[in-house]
Amino acid sequence: DVKVTQSSRYLVKRTGEKVFLECVQDMDHENMFWYRQDPGLGLRLIYFSYDVKMKEKGDIPEGYSVSREKKERFSLILESASTNQTSMYLCASSDPGLAGEQYFGPGTRLTVT
Amino acid sequence: RKEVEQDPGPFNVPEGATVAFNCTYSNSASQSFFWYRQDCRKEPKLLMSVYSSGNEDGRFTAQLNRASQYISLLIRDSKLSDSATYLCVVDYNQGGKLIFGQGTELSVKP
Repeated sequence: DVKVTQSSRYLVKRTGEKVFLECVQDMDHENMFWYRQDPGLGLRLIYFSYDVKMKEKGDIPEGYSVSREKKERFSLILESASTNQTSMYLCASSDPGLAGEQYFGPGTRLTVT
Repeated sequence: RKEVEQDPGPFNVPEGATVAFNCTYSNSASQSFFWYRQDCRKEPKLLMSVYSSGNEDGRFTAQLNRASQYISLLIRDSKLSDSATYLCVVDYNQGGKLIFGQGTELSVKP
């Protein structure tokens, strides 16, 4: 059974803190993605990666960075958390040959106070 | 204008009803199309791909109209378990990057 796991289901952080969200997939997928999902706005792509040490900006990269040191792991970093980054964060992975099928992790509900 | 637009709903239908969702996309260079399903407080999962000729999977039928740039999903004989948010998804063949619509919420009532 394919699996994408995320380090936390719920996270509460204070404004200004540095936040790390971890994502691990066991499917040997090259592509990995970070989204945030907000009511009325749907899924918005923050960053994605085609390969180890590769990264590309998505639609809303401001305030975020990413790291991909190993193929199976893709980390999202909030350098200085702000209240407008309170959201549901979803990680996904896909095989480049089946790009339409993304496998998502269960999500991390981040609250910044 | 959003790249992928859906009616957010909610669509409230009785069990056994037939319900249809439409989705429009703005970029005519779009290559591939999909419907994903997202249950409440869960992650999205691929429901079905949408092929040019239209395709069916059990009670679900997906159709694509490239000329008018819209995609549809038809659910026949709705079940309570069909209650979810349905996401229209477009692939512009940009190396795996997908564009998600904001989703249409369906609630099937007994």
